[in-house]
Amino acid sequence: DAKTTQPPSMDCAEGRAANLPCNHSTISGNEYVYWYRQIHSQGPQYIIHGLKNNETNEMASLIITEDRKSSTLILPHATLRDTAVYYCMATYNFNKFYFGSGTKLNVKP
Amino acid sequence: GAVVSQHPSWVICKSGTSVKIECRSLDFQATTMFWYRQFPKQSLMLMATSNEGSKATYEQGVEKDKFLINHASLTLSTLTVTSAHPEDSSFYICSAREGILYYEQYFGPGTRLTVT
Repeated sequence: DAKTTQPPSMDCAEGRAANLPCNHSTISGNEYVYWYRQIHSQGPQYIIHGLKNNETNEMASLIITEDRKSSTLILPHATLRDTAVYYCMATYNFNKFYFGSGTKLNVKP
Repeated sequence: GAVVSQHPSWVICKSGTSVKIECRSLDFQATTMFWYRQFPKQSLMLMATSNEGSKATYEQGVEKDKFLINHASLTLSTLTVTSAHPEDSSFYICSAREGILYYEQYFGPGTRLTVT
């Protein structure tokens, strides 16, 4: 699996867009980018994944750079309930999810 | 859809005893289930992968005789922590994947184990 690098923490004002970056400069062509989040003392929640193209679902948008070396998860209108640790992973083996240290997103009123 | 449950949500046991944690996929059949462990303020660590009807595959450093995993049906996997010690106290989380064509893992709410 490609190593991913994320900032340890970020702040975001409630109602504004939260843009969470992830660096995966060693990603290989068949590795997908996944995003999960974990709200305190709960199991992780799937957010979105993608290979090459940008993706959008009801929770978030995933923007992957053309060279695939980095990506950004966008929560368009952050709420207090979006406060969580966000994990970015790159893998081609869907049986091997290795969680890094993630980004602690603090959404502030 | 894609709900995974765990039971119990928390458990306290005495050192030397065994404790079983159940993981169920409620609305889908999980061909593959996973067990993770998370210590306070740390990230999730994959412990093992199990496929229905097969022996579990353990990650390096995880004692298979201590952490017994059974995946007897397409909706149920169990993790038994045998001869528990205080250092086994942790948050245990399972996840499930619906099939080989599905990319997502769906996680349970976790089980907090405290060994006294």
